[in-house]
Amino acid sequence: IAGITQAPTSQILAAGRRMTLRCTQDMRHNAMYWYRQDLGLGLRLIHYSNTAGTTGKGEVPDGYSVSRANTDDFPLTLASAVPSQTSVYFCASKPGPGTGELFFGEGSRLTVL
Amino acid sequence: GENVEQHPSTLSVQEGDSAVIKCTYSDSASNYFPWYKQELGKRPQLIIDIRSNVGEKKDQRIAVTLNKTAKHFSLHITETQPEDSAVYFCAASMEYGNKLVFGAGTILRVKS
Repeated sequence: IAGITQAPTSQILAAGRRMTLRCTQDMRHNAMYWYRQDLGLGLRLIHYSNTAGTTGKGEVPDGYSVSRANTDDFPLTLASAVPSQTSVYFCASKPGPGTGELFFGEGSRLTVL
Repeated sequence: GENVEQHPSTLSVQEGDSAVIKCTYSDSASNYFPWYKQELGKRPQLIIDIRSNVGEKKDQRIAVTLNKTAKHFSLHITETQPEDSAVYFCAASMEYGNKLVFGAGTILRVKS
């Protein structure tokens, strides 16, 4: 089934640890995004990539890094997790510029203790 | 940068009534305004969108209106049903869907 897959679904992490959230899509979409969702704050953009090999910063990029080595994968790394990074993380994709709809993954719930 | 404010934060309506959610945006250059619905524990999904060259768009029981002068747009749901209960997010961007800025969300409860 075509779509966008995130892993892990849920994770509890000790503060200071490194963590990578994985995102893979098989729709050959050019653009990919990472959002975090916190109660009362909606969805906030962390990083994005318009095409393989390029990345950009969103609204809340500090403490996170991304890479886009190929079209399908867009991992999000927390180099040294802090409790304020406790959130639900959504990866999303869309075909590219000139298209509107974002297709979201099912989310990864991360708890940093 | 763009800032999107959404009201109300929670909305309870009786089944069959209408529901209206309002959003304002700050950047007059924004030209794309989608609405996403997120059911409990699920991913957000697009339900309707509008571009700034259109004032209103309708899809069955859902409609969106845009007032560019006042920089606000609204979601209207008529004849609400229990399955309309969800969190609704508005969003705005200056490019067609790129770097969307979302509102904080509205929890809609439809009471049967």
